[in-house]
Amino acid sequence: DTEVTQTPKHLVMGMTNKKSLKCEQHMGHRAMYWYKQKAKKPPELMFVYSYEKLSINESVPSRFSPECPNSSLLNLHLHALQPEDSALYLCASSQDRGLGYGYTFGSGTRLTVV
Amino acid sequence: AQKITQTQPGMFVQEKEAVTLDCTYDTSDQSYGLFWYKQPSSGEMIFLIYQGSYDEQNATEGRYSLNFQKARKSANLVISASQLGDSAMYFCAMRERLPGGGADGLTFGKGTHLIIQP
Repeated sequence: DTEVTQTPKHLVMGMTNKKSLKCEQHMGHRAMYWYKQKAKKPPELMFVYSYEKLSINESVPSRFSPECPNSSLLNLHLHALQPEDSALYLCASSQDRGLGYGYTFGSGTRLTVV
Repeated sequence: AQKITQTQPGMFVQEKEAVTLDCTYDTSDQSYGLFWYKQPSSGEMIFLIYQGSYDEQNATEGRYSLNFQKARKSANLVISASQLGDSAMYFCAMRERLPGGGADGLTFGKGTHLIIQP
């Protein structure tokens, strides 16, 4: 299995809603990542989990809350989002060490906040 | 300061022609990895090719090759015999150690929107 699976593929939520994005991989990768990508822009790193511990939080607002229940799963909990949070959210995984290892990306969740 | 620079926001190329997408990078590290990804309109990020900083030969993967010039900090992607299905955004990226932690990060350039015309 060489895939990263993200659900849902599309999500529309109101500003008062609580929702979660899910990401799963079974490649034995020990590093997992959340990226945010606005239209016509490159992906921007949000969070890095290494061996199920949060390593990097790139000053992301608290309305985004990551969770790594185990080495295969990564969640992003959303609460009280703003319309400007509408974007493509990409999950990725990688070998934790070794700069020669690329990331395997999921197909993303297109989030629209109304 | 921007670490990955892609100077071509958009390119139009005739089908079957070769195309070169430019990428320059900036790092003080001796060890780093350079990657190219393709992103079609569907949104998925597809890995194309990798070049390590210590690799002496240019990387090749099928129709993709990487023109790596370390002294110039350049890692251009060359696509030979372009096809209509090559139309997509192309991102150059560098993997390096992130400051303050034990994790690596993948930093992207702004991308090049490549359109292949019949």
